[in-house]
Formats: sequence, structure tokens, C-alpha cells
Amino acid sequence: GNSVTQMEGPVTLSEEAFLTINCTYTATGYPSLFWYVQYPGEGLQLLLKATKADDKGSNKGFEATYRKETTSFHLEKGSVQVSDSAVYFCALIPINQAGTALIFGKGTTLSVSS
Amino acid sequence: DAGVTQSPTHLIKTRGQQVTLRCSPKSGHDTVSWYQQALGQGPQFIFQYYEEEERQRGNFPDRFSGHQFPNYSSELNVNALLLGDSALYLCASVLSPNYGYTFGSGTRLTVV
Repeated sequence: GNSVTQMEGPVTLSEEAFLTINCTYTATGYPSLFWYVQYPGEGLQLLLKATKADDKGSNKGFEATYRKETTSFHLEKGSVQVSDSAVYFCALIPINQAGTALIFGKGTTLSVSS
Repeated sequence: DAGVTQSPTHLIKTRGQQVTLRCSPKSGHDTVSWYQQALGQGPQFIFQYYEEEERQRGNFPDRFSGHQFPNYSSELNVNALLLGDSALYLCASVLSPNYGYTFGSGTRLTVV
């Protein structure tokens, strides 16, 4: 079936460190891929997306590249800030389902200290 | 431009009771989805509504039901509440899924 696997957290970094959060997926064909972020006490916000292989999504300094060969969509940021502390969710919309529901990973908690 | 609005923000119910949660989608969006997010977990898809009909359903029992109104707003109803139904319930709306869903801040339901 369709699924998303994220690296276990929490991830703890110092300000200005490089961030990578790994995400791999299982799905047939070319699903659309997303990263969402959830700040404490809030709903989810779309961070970036990619809808076809080799697409690079980017927003607010975060980037992720759709890698079909490795079925991955790793999230990266060159220099994190304290304000980036949140839970990050990788998600996909499969192409082989009768609908457009998002399938989420379990989330990775990022904690950035000054 | 208002985003997705959910009400109430918090509520506490007793086992066996029924609850109704409400969602107003972002302006211009016609599709509404509901998700359940248990503490420390990713959101799980409950169902999706488009043109006032349930178009897709996740692996949730029939105790979970919904409705979409002509103005695209939606309700989630849960009957015979169980302790395990305690969670954050998120509503999301979209016009075209590949642009990404917009989520509300959620309703925190506690069943005691």
C-alpha cells in the first residue's frame, strides 16, 4: 500500500546548523509529495511541494527534491533558526486511489537552541 | 483572506455522547477533508466531501459521519464516543489538490 516513512525524532540542533530530515515513500507511479509544518498548538501549514520527479520544492529557506530513483523527498535547510522549532510532516497524495487524501508520515520534531 | 476556520477549539465530552465539529473552508475552496491526529502521531484521513457528497473515506467506523453544505462548509459527527476518540481533529480544504491543502487549527476533543 501507500505509505510515508520519516526519520525518528527528536532532532536537536544549534542555531545556524544544517538540517536534514529524511523522508521515503512507498507508492505506485508518481505521487505528489509535500512537507507540512506544525507549530505548537496549531494546525498544519504547507511548507513546500513537488508534483513530479526531479522537481525541487522550496520555501523559507527549506528545500526538498523529488527523487524517484530512491523514492525520497528529504527536507533540508542550510541554517536553522530557533523559530524553526516545530514538528515536520512528510506526506503524499497517491495517484492510484479514488480520491485525493493526504497520507502522512508520523512526523519529526525539530528543536533548535540558541 | 480567512483561511480554514474550525469550531469549537476545545471541548470535553463523556463516553457514549455524541459530538459535532464544524469547519468553514478557505474562500474559493470546494473540497473539505477531515483528519484525526492523536498525540504524537501524524494525521489520519477520515473522509472527504465534494459537491455535498462523501467522495473518499479512510479506515474509520460508521460512528464517524459527516456532511457538506451548499456553501462548502462541513460538519464531522462522532457518535457513541470512546476514550480513544480523544484527539485533535483537523479540517483541510482545497480547490486543486496538487496546490496543497490548507488546514485549520483544529478542534481538540477530550473524551472522559
